[in-house]
Amino acid sequence: SQQGEEDPQALSIQEGENATMNCSYKTSINNLQWYRQNSGRGLVHLILIRSNEREKHSGRLRVTLDTSKKSSSLLITASRAADTASYFCATDIIQGAQKLVFGQGTRLTINP
Amino acid sequence: GAGVSQTPSNKVTEKGKYVELRCDPISGHTALYWYRQSLGQGPEFLIYFQGTGAADDSGLPNDRFFAVRPEGSVSTLKIQRTERGDSAVYLCASSLLGTSYNEQFFGPGTRLTVL
Repeated sequence: SQQGEEDPQALSIQEGENATMNCSYKTSINNLQWYRQNSGRGLVHLILIRSNEREKHSGRLRVTLDTSKKSSSLLITASRAADTASYFCATDIIQGAQKLVFGQGTRLTINP
Repeated sequence: GAGVSQTPSNKVTEKGKYVELRCDPISGHTALYWYRQSLGQGPEFLIYFQGTGAADDSGLPNDRFFAVRPEGSVSTLKIQRTERGDSAVYLCASSLLGTSYNEQFFGPGTRLTVL
């Protein structure tokens, strides 16, 4: 079963605009991660945020985590056509557990 | 190679047949995972290996699915008596156990189509 839900399911914006995707989850987590997937194949790890962190940056990416609301957001600034992909949040639920539980993803389209 | 590799990239089989999907993890990674992704969905966990042993196989849907990792490196996911509902992309990932960051590196996947 899916742990998280991404919102929106699909997002289409113009190149240069910022894209924000949200993720909600149900149970307490250890870490939350964001992955990117092109064309339905291999996933690429983008960023990991620990449960005791509130915000993290990596290049044009900014991730926030609100454990009280069990939600996270991924912001991509100054979007590029190459950012077109599906984005998934994933959580590892139990301390020391290794499996990731993914949301259903947000399909992001950047229009040139 | 530098990344996780999976073979074959595509597999078409007939209902009732047996298939094997192979995963080569990143060298030195002791943890290996299998996920399954259906169209329009996020990946779903199947099984996780620590070294040679399956530490968590709670995601395997039924006893037609089995996975091995005999030498703690390459892993094979085996599906018996395939059904049309088994059609999906099967993803393998590996990670360096012992780190506090559970970053998993994914392979390109095997797209399985059961006719």
